Amino acid sequence: SQELEQSPQSLIVQEGKNLTINCTSSKTLYGLYWYKQKYGEGLIFLMMLQKGGEEKSHEKITAKLDEKKQQSSLHITASQPSHAGIYLCGAPPGGSNYKLTFGKGTLLTVNP
Amino acid sequence: DAGVTQSPTHLIKTRGQHVTLRCSPISGHKSVSWYQQVLGQGPQFIFQYYEKEERGRGNFPDRFSARQFPNYSSELNVNALLLGDSALYLCASSTDSFSYNEQFFGPGTRLTVL
Repeated sequence: SQELEQSPQSLIVQEGKNLTINCTSSKTLYGLYWYKQKYGEGLIFLMMLQKGGEEKSHEKITAKLDEKKQQSSLHITASQPSHAGIYLCGAPPGGSNYKLTFGKGTLLTVNP
Repeated sequence: DAGVTQSPTHLIKTRGQHVTLRCSPISGHKSVSWYQQVLGQGPQFIFQYYEKEERGRGNFPDRFSARQFPNYSSELNVNALLLGDSALYLCASSTDSFSYNEQFFGPGTRLTVL
């Protein structure tokens, strides 16, 4: 079965700093979802990557998919307290959204 | 447009009881998936339904069951509750279950089993 490992497990940054979160898969990545979660709440959809080399940006968050490395990275530029939360990556076993496997998450704290 | 809605928000049950959780997908979405998230872990897939048919299930015991209604809303039922069933139960909806498309999650139902 597929496993997703996220690194780091937790991250504390000063407001305004850039940061990167990685998600590495034990198997071929057919696509990857990034979500943000506030503690105990639902998942907020950030973006979906489908093709190797694909890069997407939304506001100050950029995600990239590297198929060869079986890895995706999420980069936040000029972090703000509103970016704080748990970031989760999820991947399907094939080419659909069926049965996503998730990593354990990266807890981000942004100090003002 | 309303997002994915789930009810109830919180629920406290005792061991051995039965629970029903409800989910309404985004309008126009025909696929609903259920996930269980225990503290400190990522969500784990329980079921996916599309057009009222079970598309697949994860590695959960038969105490867990679900169904989807003609209006595409869904129920997750858990019988003979165990302490280990305490978790956040998440519902996700998408337009279908065959293509690679956006999947949106609801706010979740926090289940506590005492």
